[in-house]
Amino acid sequence: DSGVTQTPKHLITATGQRVTLRCSPRSGDLSVYWYQQSLDQGLQFLIQYYNGEERAKGNILERFSAQQFPDLHSELNLSSLELGDSALYFCASSPRGGDQPQHFGDGTRLSIL
Amino acid sequence: GEDVEQSLFLSVREGDSSVINCTYTDSSSTYLYWYKQEPGAGLQLLTYIFSNMDMKQDQRLTVLLNKKDKHLSLRIADTQTGDSAIYFCAATSGTYKYIFGTGTRLKVLA
Repeated sequence: DSGVTQTPKHLITATGQRVTLRCSPRSGDLSVYWYQQSLDQGLQFLIQYYNGEERAKGNILERFSAQQFPDLHSELNLSSLELGDSALYFCASSPRGGDQPQHFGDGTRLSIL
Repeated sequence: GEDVEQSLFLSVREGDSSVINCTYTDSSSTYLYWYKQEPGAGLQLLTYIFSNMDMKQDQRLTVLLNKKDKHLSLRIADTQTGDSAIYFCAATSGTYKYIFGTGTRLKVLA
């Protein structure tokens, strides 16, 4: 158990819809990362937050947004969903960000029908 | 841009050693990581090495780093069927980002 909690484990929805994925980092970790894992693109970094502030952006689409709340949990919002958004979405956390080891949650599997 | 490459598949017999290789392009990577992903699960941090080290050993795992060639390897001694999984190499890029390889699927034959 990494200590990173992601909910829900599975989501099934339709094209055009909007969903919210939730992540609680390990106790004491201030930094949260979001990744997308798909068969054709591999594991792609989306965005990082540190203590409530956005720190780095990767290959995140404009239809996607995220935030980190004062209690340090984070949410990833995906809107106007397309079939190609079907993937595993992982959250990871680390104590202070930077290049410290990241610990991953078990992911949310998103299926778009 | 930054890139991390791994071979896609490796098959070994139970009890043999497995060696999973990785090459990376960002010479400024300060840490290099190995993660394991079992079916339906997240990525489990296995081990990592600081860029000024050549080798790190942790029980059955040995990490070798050749910084000149930007080559990283993970050796698993006495490989067991429970080691069957996908192994990801990751390099830090700048101060914020990990770049992951495509993953190597290790199959252990009984």
